Amino acid sequence: QKEVEQNSGPLSVPEGAIASLNCTYSDRGSQSFFWYRQYSGKSPELIMFIYSNGDKEDGRFTAQLNKASQYVSLLIRDSQPSDSATYLCAVSPGYSSASKIIFGSGTRLSIRP
Amino acid sequence: GAVVSQHPSWVICKSGTSVKIECRSLDFQATTMFWYRQFPKQSLMLMATSNEGSKATYEQGVEKDKFLINHASLTLSTLTVTSAHPEDSSFYICSASGRSGNTIYFGEGSWLTVV
Repeated sequence: QKEVEQNSGPLSVPEGAIASLNCTYSDRGSQSFFWYRQYSGKSPELIMFIYSNGDKEDGRFTAQLNKASQYVSLLIRDSQPSDSATYLCAVSPGYSSASKIIFGSGTRLSIRP
Repeated sequence: GAVVSQHPSWVICKSGTSVKIECRSLDFQATTMFWYRQFPKQSLMLMATSNEGSKATYEQGVEKDKFLINHASLTLSTLTVTSAHPEDSSFYICSASGRSGNTIYFGEGSWLTVV
């Protein structure tokens, strides 16, 4: 079983709609959870991180965490063509940046005009 | 914001040779650096964690004698791929974190092609 699992996609969403990305993880001891966006051939860039159960909103992005279900999701509202990218879910066993981050394989998101 | 720079951004080398990739933190002291490898359409796979002045901690399945990591200063870590083979061709990415805060910064990545 992979430590962090994501549907590889592609997920196609019309412009302006809500894109929903999901992720499950196997290590119950995971403490920090991240969503990164990666454009082809580029390094990942951090979109959001979440530590506590519940929702965390930042602009058009909402991260949701359910530790009991070992489930993390990312909602993108008012999707734009520029949101088309691969979205990587990542988890860490610690709360500090000195802890290693394990990445999922990513979900390719395509926003169609 | 903090910047982590990798060099070279791409390199082509002959099979059997060694190649070094540098990862520098430009405006903060990086106490911890991470090295990842990413094959096309796959996720980032953590190779090793290095703390300044200490030996790197390698992930299971990563050959420490083939992928030499040096973190000799608080602003520089290097990854040397020794006796490179075509299957080592990949995108190598470093990330770094400092003493304060809880943010990790990624380098731009380095494309390695072994021919």
